Amino acid sequence: QVQLQESGPGLVKPSQTLSLTCTVSGGSISSGLYYWSWIRQHPGKGLEWIGYIYNGVSTYYNPSLKSRVTISGDTSKNQFSLNLSSVTAADTAVYYCTRGVNNYGFRFDYWGQGTLVTVSS
Amino acid sequence: QSVLTQPPSVSGAPGQRVTISCTGSRSNFGAGYDVHWYQQLPGTAPKLLIYGNNNRPSGVPDRFSGSKSGTSASLAITGLQSEDEADYYCQSYDTTLSGLVVFGGGTKLTVL
Repeated sequence: QVQLQESGPGLVKPSQTLSLTCTVSGGSISSGLYYWSWIRQHPGKGLEWIGYIYNGVSTYYNPSLKSRVTISGDTSKNQFSLNLSSVTAADTAVYYCTRGVNNYGFRFDYWGQGTLVTVSS
Repeated sequence: QSVLTQPPSVSGAPGQRVTISCTGSRSNFGAGYDVHWYQQLPGTAPKLLIYGNNNRPSGVPDRFSGSKSGTSASLAITGLQSEDEADYYCQSYDTTLSGLVVFGGGTKLTVL
């Protein structure tokens, strides 16, 4: 059974970098079969895909966030991380790490519980 | 403004059938990309409900079904139950600069 768990600060100051880590159990982030992804949900709003990493090193980002996003992987710890720079209040959201799979279409079959990150001074 | 368009809310009485629509375009559904549906119960993470247009993951009741035709898709729920009250999101893959992965804005299902 695949499990994902987000961790990181719940409060980040404006203009700083938001950093979150996802620890994966029951599956390997170095597997070429899956796309380890970050998705966020603004309070009371819908879902926004941020980007993914696959094969432990290759990445693809949402064009609307690309200039501020970095997703990286640590295969030795089976973790992947999100860095979002120059944050503003508009980046306040629940951040989910997920597993993407690309058969029968690209979808997300396992999700972490999510972590709320608030951007405030 | 979401790339995929869903009604903000739908409602139905217990036992009834409801449908939730998801309207796309030529760059996602019309290009042949599949639709997937997620259920988000209050205070929890989304859960995959339907994948590949009309397939249910193990454990999802057959009261839930999906379909896709042209640039539109829909989720149907029959025998509505109180525990179905949740937010529902459609998701697909898109070829424009909107991003590879796109979601609908979500539909709140209220069981009367």
